[in-house]
Amino acid sequence: GNSVTQMEGPVTLSEEAFLTINCTYTATGYPSLFWYVQYPGEGLQLLLKATKADDKGSNKGFEATYRKETTSFHLEKGSVQVSDSAVYFCALRALQGAQKLVFGQGTRLTINP
Amino acid sequence: NAGVTQTPKFQVLKTGQSMTLQCAQDMNHNSMYWYRQDPGMGLRLIYYSASEGTTDKGEVPNGYNVSRLNKREFSLRLESAAPSQTSVYFCASSEEAVYGYTFGSGTRLTVV
Repeated sequence: GNSVTQMEGPVTLSEEAFLTINCTYTATGYPSLFWYVQYPGEGLQLLLKATKADDKGSNKGFEATYRKETTSFHLEKGSVQVSDSAVYFCALRALQGAQKLVFGQGTRLTINP
Repeated sequence: NAGVTQTPKFQVLKTGQSMTLQCAQDMNHNSMYWYRQDPGMGLRLIYYSASEGTTDKGEVPNGYNVSRLNKREFSLRLESAAPSQTSVYFCASSEEAVYGYTFGSGTRLTVV
């Protein structure tokens, strides 16, 4: 079946550090891939997406590249801020079947000033 | 602001009680979803509705029922609440899943 695996959290960094959150997936064909962010007490918000191999999604300084050869969609940011503290979810939408997303378990990120 | 509205935001139930979680969207989306969020397990799909008049089971449907009342509204019902249903419940909607979902702010449910 389709599945998403994220790096174990929590992740704690200092402000202006480089961020990588790993995400790998299992799916047939070429799924669409997403990163969502959840701030404390809120619902999930779409951060970025990529719909085909080698696409790069980007938003608010975050980037992720769809790597078909390694079935990965790692999230990166060059210089994190305290306001980036949140839980980050990787997700996929398979080509077959109904239009629903499969989520990873989430990675909690804390940025210290 | 346009979006997905969930009510209530918080609820405490006793084991065996019933309740309905309400969800409404004003974006004219065809598809709606109910997920539950538990620590370390991400979001798991309970039920979804691909279009008005249709509903289908997701990954964890046991103990829940849903109603797609119209295009805007999609409710989730717990007929006899159990402590294992203590969770945060999110409703979401989408026009096409490739564009991503819009989520509500969640309902935090505690069953004692």
